[in-house]
Amino acid sequence: KQEVTQIPAALSVPEGENLVLNCSFTDSAIYNLQWFRQDPGKGLTSLLLIQSSQREQTSGRLNASLDKSSGRSTLYIAASQPGDSATYLCAVLYSGAGSYQLTFGKGTKLSVIP
Amino acid sequence: EPEVTQTPSHQVTQMGQEVILRCVPISNHLYFYWYRQILGQKVEFLVSFYNNEISEKSEIFDDQFSVERPDGSNFTLKIRSTKLEDSAMYFCASTVEAGVETQYFGPGTRLLVL
Repeated sequence: KQEVTQIPAALSVPEGENLVLNCSFTDSAIYNLQWFRQDPGKGLTSLLLIQSSQREQTSGRLNASLDKSSGRSTLYIAASQPGDSATYLCAVLYSGAGSYQLTFGKGTKLSVIP
Repeated sequence: EPEVTQTPSHQVTQMGQEVILRCVPISNHLYFYWYRQILGQKVEFLVSFYNNEISEKSEIFDDQFSVERPDGSNFTLKIRSTKLEDSAMYFCASTVEAGVETQYFGPGTRLLVL
């Protein structure tokens, strides 16, 4: 069974700092990996999708990397802003059972202090 | 930009009552999903739906749950006899091509069972 772990569970940084969020998964048989943002009491906003054949994806100040063989992904946020404060979720599209369901980590709650 | 919509945003019901949660996926998408998130816990897969039938369901998705696409635009989740432990945020998601493209999530319905 696929398990996704995210560390740290919470992170507080001053505005302007660069930061890295970590995600690990137990089974490398994945289709892709997605990073989402979740604001309190809200839905999930997709940030980046990395296919299993790719090593990284970039969108603005966000850069996500994928090392499928080691079961790891990182989300790098450059020049953090207070508006980046949210919970960041990592999810893998698991192919081990032939299904297309996303398996989520518990998230990293990010607070960017002005 | 097209988005997934869900109604209602909040629902309060008595234990044992039936509830129907509604979703309108993005119009050209073919694969539909329901996930749930119990407060403070991970987002969990419930069911996937394609070509008017369930393609995958989790062990959470027991006989009390059903899904339907009644009219070609709406996608519904019915819980026949709600239990206290069904209280959660329920998310609908859709994608144009499973296993390849991003799953887009709706804003969620917060269900409270009393």
